[in-house]
Amino acid sequence: SQQGEEDPQALSIQEGENATMNCSYKTSINNLQWYRQNSGRGLVHLILIRSNEREKHSGRLRVTLDTSKKSSSLLITASRAADTASYFCATDLTGNQFYFGTGTSLTVIP
Amino acid sequence: DAGVIQSPRHEVTEMGQEVTLRCKPISGHNSLFWYRQTMMRGLELLIYFNNNVPIDDSGMPEDRFSAKMPNASFSTLKIQPSEPRDSAVYFCASRTSGGLGELFFGEGSRLTVL
Repeated sequence: SQQGEEDPQALSIQEGENATMNCSYKTSINNLQWYRQNSGRGLVHLILIRSNEREKHSGRLRVTLDTSKKSSSLLITASRAADTASYFCATDLTGNQFYFGTGTSLTVIP
Repeated sequence: DAGVIQSPRHEVTEMGQEVTLRCKPISGHNSLFWYRQTMMRGLELLIYFNNNVPIDDSGMPEDRFSAKMPNASFSTLKIQPSEPRDSAVYFCASRTSGGLGELFFGEGSRLTVL
């Protein structure tokens, strides 16, 4: 019962470049969150955007949300090798049901 | 804070055996979630608890799976009997119900059923 689908599935870029990942979802949401997962580790929360917000920034992260298209994007600027990880969007439907997408595997080449 | 603590980190067992995975949420968090992660299906929400009460277990794959939360600081996910297709990484996550929804994940329990 996954809600989100990330695109692309895999992304490989050079250090210093920007990385953009997209997420599409299916139903109305309270908010949308992005998480990061390093290999063999648990997920770590990056940023949350509410359904009435269109854009949010946190450090090198920029998230946009288009509720009319049911889509979101995560931009990581000036990427670093340490950004290599999988990135997931999670849709919060009711405040207690979080559904994760399939993830984007990002590789940043030093 | 120690974060969400899961045990065991790795479990290898034979088909038919009982498996019990354990989770200690962050102190003060009153919502707890169990997820399963596989390459094929990604992260699946199995069940979540609010104030130790199971709210939605519609993601539990079948009757072989059961979850309990006897108190605010402990939860178990049990598989009996286990099957090879149960092989996955099982994550526990917790959050405060009054917060914006950020989930705090444990490091996961990697289960291999032979």
